[in-house]
Amino acid sequence: DAMVIQNPRYQVTQFGKPVTLSCSQTLNHNVMYWYQQKSSQAPKLLFHYYDKDFNNEADTPDNFQSRRPNTSFCFLDIRSPGLGDAAMYLCATSRERASPTDTQYFGPGTRLTVL
Amino acid sequence: DQQVKQNSPSLSVQEGRISILNCDYTNSMFDYFLWYKKYPAEGPTFLISISSIKDKNEDGRFTVFLNKSAKHLSLHIVPSQPGDSAVYFCAASLWSGTYKYIFGTGTRLKVLA
Repeated sequence: DAMVIQNPRYQVTQFGKPVTLSCSQTLNHNVMYWYQQKSSQAPKLLFHYYDKDFNNEADTPDNFQSRRPNTSFCFLDIRSPGLGDAAMYLCATSRERASPTDTQYFGPGTRLTVL
Repeated sequence: DQQVKQNSPSLSVQEGRISILNCDYTNSMFDYFLWYKKYPAEGPTFLISISSIKDKNEDGRFTVFLNKSAKHLSLHIVPSQPGDSAVYFCAASLWSGTYKYIFGTGTRLKVLA
């Protein structure tokens, strides 16, 4: 089955220790998104890639970076995690970005804990 | 500034009855609205959507109603089934160089057998 896979499902890191979250997709979609969802809050878009074109949201902290080495994989790097970065991180894909009917397909998320 | 609001964090409904989940929004520039369903330990999955130029869209047991003047949409599930128990997210789509989703905080629906 075509799908969006996130690894690991649970990640524990220490305050200030860099961490990388991984997302892969078998849908061959052009667009990959990263969302942050804190407890009881709405998922919030951090950035997205359209092919190799990186698009950052204006309010995404510099502490968050992303890489997309190929169509299938996308990584979220948190350079110096703070306690406030503890959250569920959701990866999503869509075929294109120029149509509202191109719905997004989500992975199961990675829950990040910062000690 | 929460542009998409789901004011009911949870809802319990008896099996076979109607479930009504509500969503309010503030930005009149939203052009598409979507509902996503999320089971525990899974990612959200697309359920149903509606264009801002329509007031109703139906797909089987699921119907979404849009009231643009009130900036309000609702998802109706009839009849509700235990398998519908999940968290439901309302999302609005906005063009800003790409179509972006603005999500609500979700409503946890529990359908009682």
